[in-house]
Formats: sequence, structure tokens, C-alpha cells
Amino acid sequence: DQQVKQNSPSLSVQEGRISILNCDYTNSMFDYFLWYKKYPAEGPTFLISISSIKDKNEDGRFTVFLNKSAKHLSLHIVPSQPGDSAVYFCAASDNTGKLIFGQGTTLQVKP
Amino acid sequence: DADVTQTPRNRITKTGKRIMLECSQTKGHDRMYWYRQDPGLGLRLIYYSFDVKDINKGEISDGYSVSRQAQAKFSLSLESAIPNQTALYFCATSDGDTVVEKLFFGSGTQLSVL
Repeated sequence: DQQVKQNSPSLSVQEGRISILNCDYTNSMFDYFLWYKKYPAEGPTFLISISSIKDKNEDGRFTVFLNKSAKHLSLHIVPSQPGDSAVYFCAASDNTGKLIFGQGTTLQVKP
Repeated sequence: DADVTQTPRNRITKTGKRIMLECSQTKGHDRMYWYRQDPGLGLRLIYYSFDVKDINKGEISDGYSVSRQAQAKFSLSLESAIPNQTALYFCATSDGDTVVEKLFFGSGTQLSVL
């Protein structure tokens, strides 16, 4: 039973446009959500997070939106750059010290 | 130098062999984790440890065992490897002191079981 789901395996956008990556979850006990970015041959690296008490968190070109009623979050990248091409993982924490990850979405930003 | 180091980076082995993947960290973190990545399944937690004497099973611990030899070292063993354990394995650490459980990952070990 996948508690964190990223239903789009891949996304392709043009440089300069907006990238929107989506994530759904089922466990209402999750209280923190994170996005990780992974380049080939490297481990995932932390990108941005959001607490369940907020509905938006912004860091430069990256913004995460949380809709608790829909159990849905999204990562917006504006403007998208070729260097953003990577696999993006959504993750959730229920404050037990473990992160549950989604399947990942491969983003390709075309020049 | 990498803060979280995994060895080996790549390994090919045969069904039935015993394999150990090693992880060491210089971040001084108490918490360490082993995840595996499979296409279409994302990252799944195998085992985790919050302290040297603490070992906990994750989502998919069957067929694996771990050893926390010291604060800085956490090894993952496959006692008798099977082909569906072919995957990319990641070790991760966290300090456990912040509200959000931010993990720091190693570069991964690609394991192929033939």
C-alpha cells in the first residue's frame, strides 16, 4: 500500500516555463512533507519542505503547496532551467523518525 | 570528501552469495538508514537505527540484516542474495534534532544479483 504517490513518472517542460510536480498521500498522520532531487549517480538531496500547519513554502524558484483536505502537495519550479532536470521524490514524515517516499518523477527541462 | 560514504559503488554477485554493503559517515549523526530504489517504486526503507544499540525494521526488511558497529558505521547484509534484490541501495543519516527529518544520502551502491 503506497502511502505517498507520485502518479506522473515523467514530465517534460521548456526552459523558462513552469514545472509542476504532484504528490498525493493517504496517511493523515503525516505532519511534514519534503521534496528531494536526485541526479544520476548521486544520492538524493534535500530541496524544500513544508509543515502541515502551512499551505505554502517558498525558496527562490521553488515553491511547495500543501492542500491538506485533498491530501495533495505540489512543487512548482519557476522558471525552469536545464539544470533542474533530475528525478524528484516527494516524501512524508509522521514524526516517528522515518520518511516515506513516493515513486519519483523524472523532470526534463528542454533548452 | 563525502559526508556519507558507501562501499562498494557497484557490485555484481550470484544468487545465494552473502553480500555486505557498508556505510560510514562523518556528520556525527545518530540516526542512520538503509533504503533501496527500484524503478517505479521509489525509495523504500529497509532498516534504520537511531543509536548504536538500536535496530528497527523498515517497510521491506525480509532477506536483509544490518549491523550498527559504531555511531559512524551501519552495514547492510544480504545473507543469501536473490535476483529481486537487484537494486540501487542508499544509506542515509539524520541528526534527529530538528522538527523535519531531513536525510543526507550517500551516493548509492548498485547491486546486481545474477
